[in-house]
Amino acid sequence: KAGVTQTPRYLIKTRGQQVTLSCSPISGHRSVSWYQQTPGQGLQFLFEYFSETQRNKGNFPGRFSGRQFSNSRSEMNVSTLELGDSALYLCASSLVEGSNEQFFGPGTRLTVL
Amino acid sequence: GQQLNQSPQSMFIQEGEDVSMNCTSSSIFNTWLWYKQEPGEGPVLLIALYKAGELTSNGRLTAQFGITRKDSFLNISASIPSDVGIYFCAGRPSGSARQLTFGSGTQLTVLP
Repeated sequence: KAGVTQTPRYLIKTRGQQVTLSCSPISGHRSVSWYQQTPGQGLQFLFEYFSETQRNKGNFPGRFSGRQFSNSRSEMNVSTLELGDSALYLCASSLVEGSNEQFFGPGTRLTVL
Repeated sequence: GQQLNQSPQSMFIQEGEDVSMNCTSSSIFNTWLWYKQEPGEGPVLLIALYKAGELTSNGRLTAQFGITRKDSFLNISASIPSDVGIYFCAGRPSGSARQLTFGSGTQLTVLP
């Protein structure tokens, strides 16, 4: 069974640009959660999607948004990038929403210059 | 938001030694989880704990859900080089919060 895949793996952007990251969950998993990982803050929850609906949201500004498609694939978008948005963005999939059994992808390393 | 205090931040140990790390919270948690992250990978779930006092093992790893429900610890016995990585605790607080809260991680280095 293929694991969670995230694309791209690495991305370099400049301040003010916007970026879209993609996540394909494990086949059959319908919930996708996104996390931001930085050395100083650890893993911070961004949002969770289930059945194409956002079910839960963390404390991030509105510049961070996401969506989920009917095939459970998910995208997250960050607009008007700031230097502090540089981080590893992790996607995790699970069978159902709110599950503790979350399977993480390798992440997308975003660098904002 | 919820904060988890994880310690130590880093550890350097000799191969064969035992390791212990812990996580504490100021509020009650319903679930405690322990993850390991290796370079270039996402975190992998090692152990999940669901009941206060619960002690669970996974090979050389043992974790416990504290009686007060505000703490958890992870022990690794007879460490080997492949134990290197960052270990994260995570918990799901009681009440209305549904998302997982993660600790800041313990970086483990095993010296040969």
